[in-house]
Amino acid sequence: SYVLSQPPSVSVAPGQTARISCGGDRLGTFSVHWYQHRPGQAPVMVVYDNSDRPSGIPERFAGSNSGSTATLTITRVEAGDEADYYCQVWDASNDVLYVFGSGTKLTVL
Amino acid sequence: EVQLLGSGGGFAQPGGSLRVSCAASGFTFSNYALSWVRLAPGKGFEWVSSISGSGADTYYRDSVRGRFTISRDNSKNTLYLEMGSLRAEDTALYYCTKQSLEVVVASTQDFEYWGQGTQVTVSS
Repeated sequence: SYVLSQPPSVSVAPGQTARISCGGDRLGTFSVHWYQHRPGQAPVMVVYDNSDRPSGIPERFAGSNSGSTATLTITRVEAGDEADYYCQVWDASNDVLYVFGSGTKLTVL
Repeated sequence: EVQLLGSGGGFAQPGGSLRVSCAASGFTFSNYALSWVRLAPGKGFEWVSSISGSGADTYYRDSVRGRFTISRDNSKNTLYLEMGSLRAEDTALYYCTKQSLEVVVASTQDFEYWGQGTQVTVSS
């Protein structure tokens, strides 16, 4: 089945820029979505269709996708951004219709 | 405001059964596909099952097909997941999700809104 690879953790100081990568074979041909999950809370979609932001998501959250890597970039990081972030694609090639990355824990130092 | 309120779940022994439900509000229920996504301890999100807006089309991951049944009642704005022949590896938080499109099979389909999650624990 299709595999999406993410780094287990990313650390950044407040006010700096965090970049979370998501890698997969020919990923640039897929539509990638990103979710933020703070433990104990409902997950939130922060980017859809590679680079679009849902209503209410700050402009600090931006997505890109090219080649074999998609990237979620969070600028001017705040303490409240500390969470797990997951990328996701739709994959019709096997029984699992929707594939998630392994998740990246963003720590704000 | 979209709200997805999960209920049910709980504790079951291996081989047992449980049902999780999800009451939705804040959108035209029958216009959107819905899915269940789970989060097991120490693991990442895993798609479980989806159903189209009309309820005519259902999909399952291999590991639950034949054991789980997804359904929806568009007159009650409620989504269900009947879980049978439960295994220890089914232990997880089960999230009800609203998707952006009516159909399940679409290359741009995402999980637009999520509920809080309902705990399912399978243990002897």
